[in-house]
This record gives sequence, C-alpha cells and structure tokens, in this order.
Amino acid sequence: DTEVTQTPKHLVMGMTNKKSLKCEQHMGHRAMYWYKQKAKKPPELMFVYSYEKLSINESVPSRFSPECPNSSLLNLHLHALQPEDSALYLCASSTRGSTDTQYFGPGTRLTVL
Amino acid sequence: DAKTTQPPSMDCAEGRAANLPCNHSTISGNEYVYWYRQIHSQGPQYIIHGLKNNETNEMASLIITEDRKSSTLILPHATLRDTAVYYCIVRLNTPLVFGKGTRLSVIA
Repeated sequence: DTEVTQTPKHLVMGMTNKKSLKCEQHMGHRAMYWYKQKAKKPPELMFVYSYEKLSINESVPSRFSPECPNSSLLNLHLHALQPEDSALYLCASSTRGSTDTQYFGPGTRLTVL
Repeated sequence: DAKTTQPPSMDCAEGRAANLPCNHSTISGNEYVYWYRQIHSQGPQYIIHGLKNNETNEMASLIITEDRKSSTLILPHATLRDTAVYYCIVRLNTPLVFGKGTRLSVIA
C-alpha cells in the first residue's frame, strides 16, 4: 500500500482566514514533504520533515506554517494568504529521507479570494 | 539548474508503444534516474527508477544508455489513461525537483 491521503480535496478561503491542510500516511514512512503547484507549472518543494523534524524550508513565507505532530501526520497551517497563493498543494512521503522513492497524495486545491 | 531535458510534448497512438526520451548529460556516477507522471489535477505518480541497468515493472520499462547521459521511458501499449505529463528527474539524496516534463497525449 502506497497511499498518502490529503484533506480537504478543495478549500476556498478569504485572505483573513486561518485554515489547515492535512496529510496522512500509514506506511511507516519517516520523511514527509509539502509541494506547491501553480497552474501549468511543475510542483515546487516547500518543506521537508525528517523524523518529525523540519529539515528543509525552501524560503517559504511565514504565512505558511508546517507541523508534524507525529510520524504519520503532516499539517500545513495557512494564515493571511494572498490570492497568488492559490494552487494545488501536494503532500508526499518516503521511507527515511531523500534517497528514497517519494509517494504523493492527490493534493488539496486551494483558492484564496 | 536544469539537470534533465525533455521534449515539451509528444503524441502516441493508442495501443502503440510510447517512447519518452530524457537527456541528462551532467548526471554523476551515483545519481538515479526517476520517472513520475501526473495526470491532470492529480498528484504525481511514481513510475520507475534506475541507476545503470535497464529496469522493467508492471507500468513501464526504463532504458538507460551505457554512458548514462540519456534514458527512455517506454510504455509498451499506451492507452488513453496514459495521457499525462511525464517527468524525468535525476537525483541522489535530495528531494524531487521537477522540471517541465513532457506532455504525452495518447490519441484514439
């Protein structure tokens, strides 16, 4: 089983809202990733967690706040977003780290009004 | 820096083999070649990866040239459901970095 689940599938929020995206895997993977994908562009790496610790932050604005409460769960907290943050947000996981195959979830389609 | 070069788009007739090329002339000796695909508005799907030898699984075959400067992903009998963007990625111990990929259109 190589399933990564993401909720919600779609999210619409205003610029003053606070919302969270959730990602879950039960494959025993210890590395988890957030990617952002704008329309007609390839996915871009945002954050990497390794053994529940943040290991890579690709200079992402602070209005995006990741959290890894346990080895199966990854959250992305959103606050004061801009319309240009509208995108598909993808979560991925891998066994231990960046030498391993990454498996992606279906993504959350975010629209910021 | 772009580590791979892929054609922006390709067409393939349904039922025929789809051969997707990728150039990676600067690949280092221990970097792997990975292939993913992304069907419209879905998450990227892992297809196959290899180091030096040709690889085959239930989805596809990966042919890597002897000098490792290029590779070809082969979908042996393309179906309409194989229409997607295909990404060739070279990596060792870094997270996946996606290039622009090849948009494959399978035509009935």
